[in-house]
Amino acid sequence: GAVVSQHPSWVICKSGTSVKIECRSLDFQATTMFWYRQFPKQSLMLMATSNEGSKATYEQGVEKDKFLINHASLTLSTLTVTSAHPEDSSFYICSAIGRDQETQYFGPGTRLLVL
Amino acid sequence: KQEVTQIPAALSVPEGENLVLNCSFTDSAIYNLQWFRQDPGKGLTSLLLIQSSQREQTSGRLNASLDKSSGRSTLYIAASQPGDSATYLCAFGGSQGNLIFGKGTKLSVKP
Repeated sequence: GAVVSQHPSWVICKSGTSVKIECRSLDFQATTMFWYRQFPKQSLMLMATSNEGSKATYEQGVEKDKFLINHASLTLSTLTVTSAHPEDSSFYICSAIGRDQETQYFGPGTRLLVL
Repeated sequence: KQEVTQIPAALSVPEGENLVLNCSFTDSAIYNLQWFRQDPGKGLTSLLLIQSSQREQTSGRLNASLDKSSGRSTLYIAASQPGDSATYLCAFGGSQGNLIFGKGTKLSVKP
């Protein structure tokens, strides 16, 4: 089946720094990619939707200037957490759907810890 | 290896019916169980989250239960409406934050 990878799987950074997370579809072209965030003991929540070549659509309450999303190609989307704070510590998951717009494939997630 | 199975794969019901979607998992070391809704081409919408210490959660017409001993969760939808038509996914949450999804149940509610 289709595979989505994320890099890094773990990242620890200092408060105030920026962190970039990559999401790649390895064997299919992802017309749409999604970024999710999950805080401990809370449900997975959609942050934004990105379509290749266009600006991402952010969910209500998600700061677009803080969470920069770039979907530069049909196989790569990046999420940059700018000026990270401890409250940004979370589990970030991306997913991708192909041209059939049906099946959504999830990456393994990236755990971010901001000190 | 943890497996999450959802039955049925597809379901078509007339409007107004009460229905049950089933989810089973093989590993009893569950941290939480989540139910999501997926509309075509859209991101997932979280419906209900059940912690391992809980037995059920309710939100409006939705009720989800969790039975760790039998490795099962059910999503009950009361008085179904055409707007409920979507794919419903359950996800096993492990202690490391990992999520393992079932393949979903595609629900169609006919007016």
